[in-house]
Amino acid sequence: KQEVTQIPAALSVPEGENLVLNCSFTDSAIYNLQWFRQDPGKGLTSLLLIQSSQREQTSGRLNASLDKSSGRSTLYIAASQPGDSATYLCAVTVDYKLSFGAGTTVTVRA
Amino acid sequence: NAGVTQTPKFRVLKTGQSMTLLCAQDMNHEYMYWYRQDPGMGLRLIHYSVGEGTTAKGEVPDGYNVSRLKKQNFLLGLESAAPSQTSVYFCASSYPRGPLNTDTQYFGPGTRLTVL
Repeated sequence: KQEVTQIPAALSVPEGENLVLNCSFTDSAIYNLQWFRQDPGKGLTSLLLIQSSQREQTSGRLNASLDKSSGRSTLYIAASQPGDSATYLCAVTVDYKLSFGAGTTVTVRA
Repeated sequence: NAGVTQTPKFRVLKTGQSMTLLCAQDMNHEYMYWYRQDPGMGLRLIHYSVGEGTTAKGEVPDGYNVSRLKKQNFLLGLESAAPSQTSVYFCASSYPRGPLNTDTQYFGPGTRLTVL
């Protein structure tokens, strides 16, 4: 059974600092890995998707890396802003199904 | 283009009552999913469907039933609600795999269900 772990569970940083969020998974036979953002009381929004054959994906201030062999992914958010405050969820796809981590709740202090 | 919508947004049930949650998508997606999210845990897959008329069990299917009579709708039913089913329920949909497929799932806003 695929287990997805996100560390830390919560993170508080001052505005402008770079954010580093970690995700690990136990079974490397994944189709892809996704990072989602969830605002309080809202649904999930996909931020980045990395196919299993890729090493990283970038979108604006966001960069996600994938090391499938070691079962790890890292989401970097450069120059954090208060608007980046949210919960970030990592999920891996196996057989059309997503397995989620519990998320990292980020607070960016102005 | 409304994306993925869910009704109702909130509901309070008594133990033993039944209800149906409706998910609708207007993106012509083949795949649809129902998840539940509990505090301190990631989303867990309840049931999913890979096309009209098909359904399959996910990680936590017990106590739930689903139906996909129309491609755009995916219904989640609770026949006899229990307090353990208090949760936030999310529906999602995605494109089938193909040359342009990215497997990105699009999520609805969620239904907050409380069972007393």
